[in-house]
Order: sequence, then structure tokens, then C-alpha cells
Amino acid sequence: QKEVEQNSGPLSVPEGAIASLNCTYSDRGSQSFFWYRQYSGKSPELIMSIYSNGDKEDGRFTAQLNKASQYVSLLIRDSQPSDSATYLCAVNIDDMRFGAGTRLTVKP
Amino acid sequence: GAVVSQHPSRVICKSGTSVKIECRSLDFQATTMFWYRQFPKQSLMLMATSNEGSKATYEQGVEKDKFLINHASLTLSTLTVTSAHPEDSSFYICSASRDRGAFFGQGTRLTVV
Repeated sequence: QKEVEQNSGPLSVPEGAIASLNCTYSDRGSQSFFWYRQYSGKSPELIMSIYSNGDKEDGRFTAQLNKASQYVSLLIRDSQPSDSATYLCAVNIDDMRFGAGTRLTVKP
Repeated sequence: GAVVSQHPSRVICKSGTSVKIECRSLDFQATTMFWYRQFPKQSLMLMATSNEGSKATYEQGVEKDKFLINHASLTLSTLTVTSAHPEDSSFYICSASRDRGAFFGQGTRLTVV
């Protein structure tokens, strides 16, 4: 059974701080990795995708991938209250399986 | 970004009736669509993978005769919840994949009374 694991949280950070979200996966052959944000009562929206080892930056978001450790993370710099949501990690575009999600709260 | 449209957004039905949910990819062709169910404060649970022109692949524990999936074209997949019961009340979400990732419909909140 392919698994995607996330720290369930909740994670609380003050406004302006860096939020760090982590995800591990079991399928060593995984090639594509995605981070989604889901507000309560809404469907998920794609934040970032990453395919190669290393860092990928997009605005305040940085995704980090380490295939050897089967680990992918998302850093949110200068966190804002509007970033408060559940963040979902997904692996493999062919059978999009999600982690349980990490609930992030950014306190003003 | 890619647009996936899901309808209806909300539906209330009587126990024992069937409900059809549509998922359309509006600006791209999707050979694969996914159907998820999400209970309050829980994660997305993959129900089935829908492939255009072939039978859907259901996850373990999902009743294929209860949750009928039809992927009739490259832009449309439907999920029919047959003989719905109150325990089927949930948030149902579809997604369609393209090269940049999977994009989600707005979701359908089903309430069975």
C-alpha cells in the first residue's frame, strides 16, 4: 500500500514567521510531488509541484525534495493569517494520493 | 490555470434515491479523473480513478455497485451515488490530471435525509 504521511498538527506560527510543513512517502519510485492548500469547506488548490531533488521557490513558498530520504517539505516565509488552512501533500500524478494534511494557523 | 467544474455544489436527497455528480475539465482533455470523499475534519480519501473509455479502478472498500463512475469523454466524468443512505452524506470532490498536477472541482456536498 502506497502511503503518504504528514504531521497532522495543528501547527501554529506567529504572523511573519516561517512555517515548515513536512511529508514522507513510501513509494521509492515516486516521481512527482505536489502541495495543495485547502480552506475549510472548499476543495484543494494547487500551490506547488516539484519533480527534482533540491529546492523550488515560488514567491513566499519553497518546496524541498529529497528522494533518497523520501521526504518533501513546504516552507512558507513571512506567514500571513490568510495562509491559515490545511496543507496537503500528494504524490504521483498517476494515482494522486494525499497525506492526511497539516492544519496551519497563523496568528496575527 | 486549469479549470475543473463540478456540479451540483450542494444536493439534498431522500434516503434510497440516487444522485449524479458531474465533473468537467473545461479547458483541457483529461484522460484520468479522480473521485474523492472527505468527511468533516478528515483528509481526502481516494474512492476511484476514472479512465476515459474504460472501467474505473476502485479503491479497496469502495463499493463499485453503489458508486457508479462513467468517464464518457475526455472532458466529463460522472459519479452516481445509488440508493443513497445518510452515511453517504459527505463532501465529494473530483480532480482531473494534466502535466502540471491535478486540479480540483468545487466539490459537492451531499446530504442524505
